[in-house]
Amino acid sequence: QVKLLQSGAALVKPGDSVKMSCKASGYTFTDYIIHWVKQSHGKSLEWIGYINPYSGGTNYNEKFKSKATLTVDKSSSTAYMEFSRLTSEDSAIYYCARGGLGFWGPGTMVTVSS
Amino acid sequence: DVVMTQTPVSLSLAIGQPASISCKSSQSLVHSDGKTYLSWILQRPGQSPKRLIYLVSKLDSGVPDRFSGSGSETEFTLKISRVEAEDLGVYYCWQATHFPRTFGGGTKLELK
Repeated sequence: QVKLLQSGAALVKPGDSVKMSCKASGYTFTDYIIHWVKQSHGKSLEWIGYINPYSGGTNYNEKFKSKATLTVDKSSSTAYMEFSRLTSEDSAIYYCARGGLGFWGPGTMVTVSS
Repeated sequence: DVVMTQTPVSLSLAIGQPASISCKSSQSLVHSDGKTYLSWILQRPGQSPKRLIYLVSKLDSGVPDRFSGSGSETEFTLKISRVEAEDLGVYYCWQATHFPRTFGGGTKLELK
């Protein structure tokens, strides 16, 4: 069955970067785009962008264009998101999701604190 | 950006009652390919979101048929014919017609 396994929680300092992963299994990785979605505590969902694992092509929400970098490693069926220059506003749960958000990972909690 | 406005913000219902959630978009969600990329997503407490409905009215596999979606252009509705305990959580609409993709603010369904 389709599974998206995300990396564990991260505690990072302001100004640092964090790179999180999303390992896919149960389907052909290159057949579906991977979305990344942010959920700040108690708030709604925000679309960060997506990556096409087949071509490596990306599409970002302008709001996150200077903040997020999406990549994939086809050999391990893993998508990555790096978030840079972190501030307290970036503390949130980050989800990866397949295709039209039909399958979601468990999320990676990122806490930005000195 | 396309603004997705959900109403009500919260809903308190007893088991067995019907539920209706509205989602209105600031632009038509009809894509140039003729399809309308409007989905409904449920996030149960402490869980990851889960898609229930896509393309306005198509139920995802395993979703009970007490859920239904309808609408067109800029107005969409999610209905639950008879609420059950497992239905509590926050419901979001999501559009994938325009960039950036956007979510509604959410509707919290609580049980009376």
